[in-house]
This record gives sequence, C-alpha cells and structure tokens, in this order.
Amino acid sequence: QVRLQESGPGLVKPSQTLSLTCTVSGGSIISGGYYWTWIRQPAGKGLEWIGRIYSSGHTTYNPSLMSRVTMSVDTSKRQFSLNLSSVTAADTAVYYCARGIVVINWFDTWGQGTLVTVSS
Amino acid sequence: QSVLTQPPSVSAAPGQKVTISCSGTSSNIGNNYVSWYQQFPGTAPKLLIYDNDKRPSGIPDRFSGSKSGTSATLVITGLQTGDEADYHCGAWDSSLSAGVFGGGTKVTVL
Repeated sequence: QVRLQESGPGLVKPSQTLSLTCTVSGGSIISGGYYWTWIRQPAGKGLEWIGRIYSSGHTTYNPSLMSRVTMSVDTSKRQFSLNLSSVTAADTAVYYCARGIVVINWFDTWGQGTLVTVSS
Repeated sequence: QSVLTQPPSVSAAPGQKVTISCSGTSSNIGNNYVSWYQQFPGTAPKLLIYDNDKRPSGIPDRFSGSKSGTSATLVITGLQTGDEADYHCGAWDSSLSAGVFGGGTKVTVL
C-alpha cells in the first residue's frame, strides 16, 4: 500500500520561497499510470490543485500559480518536491501531496497534509 | 472562487438521504471524469467516488455518484452520524489543463 508523507517548514516569511517534499513509501514512484501532485487547502476553504509531475520529470502547473511554482522529482529517493516563490499570506494553507491516475485524473492516495503559514 | 460549484451545506436526519450537486462546464465535467472526496475535520481527503460513479473497495453502497451533462451528483442514503464531513467534487479541466475542485459541501446529520 502506497503511503505519502509531506515534510518541510511550517512557517515561511513573506516574499520567500515555500519548499515542501513528499516521500513515497510502500510502492514505486516510477509506477506507470500514475503521476504525483500537490493540492492545497486554505483554512475553511476548498481544495486547490497546484500542479503535477510524472516520474519522467514532466510537469503541468495550475495557470493561476504557474509563474511561481516549480516541481521536481528524485526517483532515487522516492521523493517529489514543490517550490512556491514570492509567497504572501494568501499562500497560507494545508498542503497535501497525492497520487493521481493518468488520463482519468482522480487522486487515490493522499498524504496527511502539512500546514504552512506565511508570516513575518 | 472554485471552478466547480457546490452548495456550501446540506443536512438531513439519520436514515434519510442527502444529495450534493456539483456544477461545471463542458471543459471539465462535461468531457472528463468526476471524482468525489470525503474529508473529516483535520484529516486529508479520501477518495469516495471515481470515474463518475464507481466506488473504491471499502466504500459502502450508501454512497453513489452520477453525471449528466455538465453536472454531477453525490447521493448518500441511509444517512449516519459518521457521515458528517465535507465532500468535494473534482475533475480535470481541459481548457485550463489543470485539476479543478468544487468549494466543498458540509453534510450535517440533524
């Protein structure tokens, strides 16, 4: 059974870069038919899809965040990462990593989530 | 403002039925699969329905999904207190080339 675990700082200063890593265990990060994604949820609000990365390194980002988002994957470590630059208070949210299903795009496995607060 | 539109809340008595709507456009729901997620407070969302109407292993058949045109519906029958949670719909948006979600619906058991 695949498990995902987010890690990274819980507090980031405004204008700095938010960096999170998701570690995949219990299965291969190179599995065909899957991709790896980041989703966030501000307190009391709905889910927002940030972007996805395949094990090949191919990425797709949410157009609303594209100018500030970079994702990467390290298959040797079974990890994929999110960098979000120039953060503001509006980026304060619980960040989830999840596994997505190619083509049909639903998310069958989620990490527990990590709260990132943007504040000076 | 979420791309998909859900009612903020629905409620019903134990044993009754609730229906949650999810409205979109031809770019998302109209031409792509819909999924639904159940989220209890302080926890991660959990896949409830995929491919519009399929249930993962372990999900009771009290939960059912359907899609018609640019709208999708989640129905919970035989409502139980343990069903109190937030429910989110999701789909791929072919115009945005991005995943999109609804704002979530809170289910309250009266």
